[in-house]
Amino acid sequence: LAKTTQPISMDSYEGQEVNITCSHNNIATNDYITWYQQFPSQGPRFIIQGYKTKVTNEVASLFIPADRKSSTLSLPRVSLSDTAVYYCLVGEVWATDKLIFGTGTRLQVFP
Amino acid sequence: GAVVSQHPSRVICKSGTSVKIECRSLDFQATTMFWYRQFPKQSLMLMATSNEGSKATYEQGVEKDKFLINHASLTLSTLTVTSAHPEDSSFYICSAAQGSRTDTQYFGPGTRLTVL
Repeated sequence: LAKTTQPISMDSYEGQEVNITCSHNNIATNDYITWYQQFPSQGPRFIIQGYKTKVTNEVASLFIPADRKSSTLSLPRVSLSDTAVYYCLVGEVWATDKLIFGTGTRLQVFP
Repeated sequence: GAVVSQHPSRVICKSGTSVKIECRSLDFQATTMFWYRQFPKQSLMLMATSNEGSKATYEQGVEKDKFLINHASLTLSTLTVTSAHPEDSSFYICSAAQGSRTDTQYFGPGTRLTVL
């Protein structure tokens, strides 16, 4: 699995858009980019997955440039309940393959 | 969506005793289950991968005789921490995957183990 680099922490205020960028310079052709969210004392929750360009679902958007060496998770209009750790994973993350979590980004949302 | 449960949610035990943690897929059959350990303020560390009916594959540095994993059915995997010590105190999380490779993994809520 490709190594990823994320900011250790980010702060935001309620109602703002938050963008978390993940660097993955060694991404391989068959690799997908997957983001998970984890609240304290809970298991991670799948947020979004993409391969290229832009993916959007009901909770987030994922932007992937043409070279795929980075990706940006965008959370629109965050609320206090979005305070969590966000993990970026890169690889052929099929369901039956092991996931290797990096350090993650600790997002703190203030009122 | 698919639901994974863990039991117990938290457990406190004395040093030297063994503790069993159960991981169940409630509404789907899980061909593969994973066990993670997470220390405070740290990321998840994969401990082992288990497939139903076969021996678990342990990650480097994880003692298979200390962390016994049994994946006896398509809906249940257990992790037994044998002869627990205070340094085994951690948050243990399982995840489960359905047969389809293109589906996502579903994580359990975790088990907080405290060894006195």
